[in-house]
Amino acid sequence: NAGVTQTPKFQVLKTGQSMTLQCAQDMNHEYMSWYRQDPGMGLRLIHYSVGAGITDQGEVPNGYNVSRSTTEDFPLRLLSAAPSQTSVYFCASSFRRGGGQPQHFGDGTRLSIL
Amino acid sequence: DAKTTQPTSMDCAEGRAANLPCNHSTISGNEYVYWYRQIHSQGPQYIIHGLKNNETNEMASLIITEDRKSSTLILPHATLRDTAVYYCIVISGTGTASKLTFGTGTRLQVTL
Repeated sequence: NAGVTQTPKFQVLKTGQSMTLQCAQDMNHEYMSWYRQDPGMGLRLIHYSVGAGITDQGEVPNGYNVSRSTTEDFPLRLLSAAPSQTSVYFCASSFRRGGGQPQHFGDGTRLSIL
Repeated sequence: DAKTTQPTSMDCAEGRAANLPCNHSTISGNEYVYWYRQIHSQGPQYIIHGLKNNETNEMASLIITEDRKSSTLILPHATLRDTAVYYCIVISGTGTASKLTFGTGTRLQVTL
């Protein structure tokens, strides 16, 4: 079982470039989400999905798009990268949404925008 | 979701039990207590969670007071690899998003 796999692990972009952060899970989890973590801060929710074809915004969605065409994959797209998006991005998944379902995290993508 | 209060840092000698407290005095009836940890540069790792009863798994024990206003995570035999930031989180059993709100956590330093 690979769990939650994020690629790439590191990426450097120039301002204005676009890219997609990949997230895949092999646990047949319905719920997936994206967080960003800035230095010295906790995680902030960007977008989440409660199942294939269903996505919604978290607390910091601006500048990011998501889609969920399959249960396994939940890519995060940066439309036009900005230095403020320099961060570590974590993808997480759980069997279902709700308080009784622990979330499992990937190892993160470290993104730098120049 | 209820807010939590944790000490900023704690030290523990290797081989001893590490007891990490968390205050969640505004917790409501359907909110779970979760513990995660984050070892430097890695993704958050789920440790344990509970609603009302004490819980134990292969990693740790969770003791929740009867009034549910506070809890303690116990690592029974801490090792150097347990050095990490530990987050206590309270999350509702319902709602549209299982958002995890990580505060500043407790930085546990395990020493020889």
